[in-house]
Amino acid sequence: EAGVVQSPRYKIIEKKQPVAFWCNPISGHNTLYWYLQNLGQGPELLIRYENEEAVDDSQLPKDRFSAERLKGVDSTLKIQPAELGDSAVYLCASSLGTGGYNEQFFGPGTRLTVL
Amino acid sequence: RKEVEQDPGPFNVPEGATVAFNCTYSNSASQSFFWYRQDCRKEPKLLMSVYSSGNEDGRFTAQLNRASQYISLLIRDSKLSDSATYLCVVNWGNSGYALNFGKGTSLLVTP
Repeated sequence: EAGVVQSPRYKIIEKKQPVAFWCNPISGHNTLYWYLQNLGQGPELLIRYENEEAVDDSQLPKDRFSAERLKGVDSTLKIQPAELGDSAVYLCASSLGTGGYNEQFFGPGTRLTVL
Repeated sequence: RKEVEQDPGPFNVPEGATVAFNCTYSNSASQSFFWYRQDCRKEPKLLMSVYSSGNEDGRFTAQLNRASQYISLLIRDSKLSDSATYLCVVNWGNSGYALNFGKGTSLLVTP
């Protein structure tokens, strides 16, 4: 079974440039998450989708970050414009359901470097 | 105040040793608890869920103390392959099912 797919794996951009990350969850997983992980820290939730609906985006910096999951399958996270402090690993995860004990499966992440 | 606190690492132990990691959480309404493992430059993967009665999976034992808001992970007979970062994870459960991660504790098992 294919896992969570993310692309690109690495991205280097200059500050003020836009950047987009793509995620394809495990087939049949209705819940999709985007996390940000800084070096030496645990992942922090940015946004959670149930199907195509963003049900928790309270931690998403909406002035520069946006996300979409138009058909309830794959998702895109965008930053515009990027800042130096956005350098981090962006992780996508998916789960079969929304219950608290549903295992979340993570993709390999996109490592963003903003110069 | 960090909502999920873990022991500062790194832990350097010889093969065969027993090592314990501790974690505390601030939200008394937390409903589910996990340990995730993250290898260097890889994604986190679920190691085990933590139940109130405690649970064991081979060399790994997890304990939960709701009264003290405390979670532990015990690894017996450490293997070189156990070297990784162990993330304590708590789900508040009241407004959704986002996971709240600790910073992680780094374990290095040496020959």
